[in-house]
Amino acid sequence: AQKITQTQPGMFVQEKEAVTLDCTYDTSDQSYGLFWYKQPSSGEMIFLIYQGSYDEQNATEGRYSLNFQKARKSANLVISASQLGDSAMYFCAMRERYGGSQGNLIFGKGTKLSVKP
Amino acid sequence: DGGITQSPKYLFRKEGQNVTLSCEQNLNHDAMYWYRQDPGQGLRLIYYSQIVNDFQKGDIAEGYSVSREKKESFPLTVTSAQKNPTAFYLCASSGGQVVFLGANVLTFGAGSRLTVL
Repeated sequence: AQKITQTQPGMFVQEKEAVTLDCTYDTSDQSYGLFWYKQPSSGEMIFLIYQGSYDEQNATEGRYSLNFQKARKSANLVISASQLGDSAMYFCAMRERYGGSQGNLIFGKGTKLSVKP
Repeated sequence: DGGITQSPKYLFRKEGQNVTLSCEQNLNHDAMYWYRQDPGQGLRLIYYSQIVNDFQKGDIAEGYSVSREKKESFPLTVTSAQKNPTAFYLCASSGGQVVFLGANVLTFGAGSRLTVL
């Protein structure tokens, strides 16, 4: 079974508008961490934002925020005021404390975001 | 500036040949990782190392080998036993142990693209 599900293979957003990228996860651990990475066409993975399972507040980093709904097991990324440079692949990832992945990051298949001028 | 250097950026291999991908970091990180990325897929873990002279298999280790003789270096050899080696390979590092739960962010290199002719 997939641990991380990103249901949107591709998304379009108008420049300066906000966009939400969906991510749901599956774990039986109580302690886990959720990450979002950006991958531009150059290929390098760039860390955007982190949310711990015990964090009560939603994480924010500049124009990025994470809409964490623990009961629904969702960790959606919200990008406000989209810019052309935001066009990239976006990956949601999870680290479980005791899961079979032995603490490593498990990645979803990604969402390709295209920002239109 | 601190970071991770992967080389070569592009590599072509004939069937039956072994090739080695280089990964060097100057971040003084203890843990290093190799991931494989196929088109339309997320990242899958090949091998990881938490400390010098020790490494562990990830989810898709068959057909690959690694070494960790120095803290800074974690080369990956793609052997002839790997049936479908054409892919994008990403090396990463982090400052803490793999099983530490927290914002233990992975820093990635720019990747190496391997094509089998």
